[in-house]
Amino acid sequence: DTAVSQTPKYLVTQMGNDKSIKCEQNLGHDTMYWYKQDSKKFLKIMFSYNNKELIINETVPNRFSPKSPDKAHLNLHINSLELGDSAVYFCASSRLYEQYFGPGTRLTVT
Amino acid sequence: AQKITQTQPGMFVQEKEAVTLDCTYDTSDPSYGLFWYKQPSSGEMIFLIYQGSYDQQNATEGRYSLNFQKARKSANLVISASQLGDSAMYFCAMLVYGGSNYKLTFGKGTLLTVNP
Repeated sequence: DTAVSQTPKYLVTQMGNDKSIKCEQNLGHDTMYWYKQDSKKFLKIMFSYNNKELIINETVPNRFSPKSPDKAHLNLHINSLELGDSAVYFCASSRLYEQYFGPGTRLTVT
Repeated sequence: AQKITQTQPGMFVQEKEAVTLDCTYDTSDPSYGLFWYKQPSSGEMIFLIYQGSYDQQNATEGRYSLNFQKARKSANLVISASQLGDSAMYFCAMLVYGGSNYKLTFGKGTLLTVNP
């Protein structure tokens, strides 16, 4: 069984479109995260939710909106996609300190 | 603010030899954790090892050990008996505890290549 899953794995879209990435964890964890890994492999946190409540919101354009319908899901919706949004987006979950990462979603904006 | 520094963009090691990947950190918080993650070319993030700031002994997990020097604020990863499958990107990360806030701050990574 996959602990943290993301869909889709690859996403190619044009500038200006709106897209969503879904994340689900079956570990029973309370906290979920979205990270962005840029073309230079640098990983940076974007958002964190604890029990469906937003607790971390780094300096991210408001075109990015996370939504947590329940503790097991944290989706990322992106409006008006830009070329600079091309990256790998990782979802992660944790109970205490160890964070389990999903396989990543490679987003390419053309 | 927390900061992680990995000064080695790339490292090479011969198969079966040991290698040390450097990591220094900066935080004013007394309670924190240090992590190493491995990212192979397939892209997934694999947790390797964890060291808490109050742990008295260095963490070990199989062939991985963390050389924790608190006064120097360093948390180097030592991989013993390198294998070809160890070729990957390695990230050092720090987590500062603050209630429910478990934000990981990552270094820029070190690309390790194991030569046969």
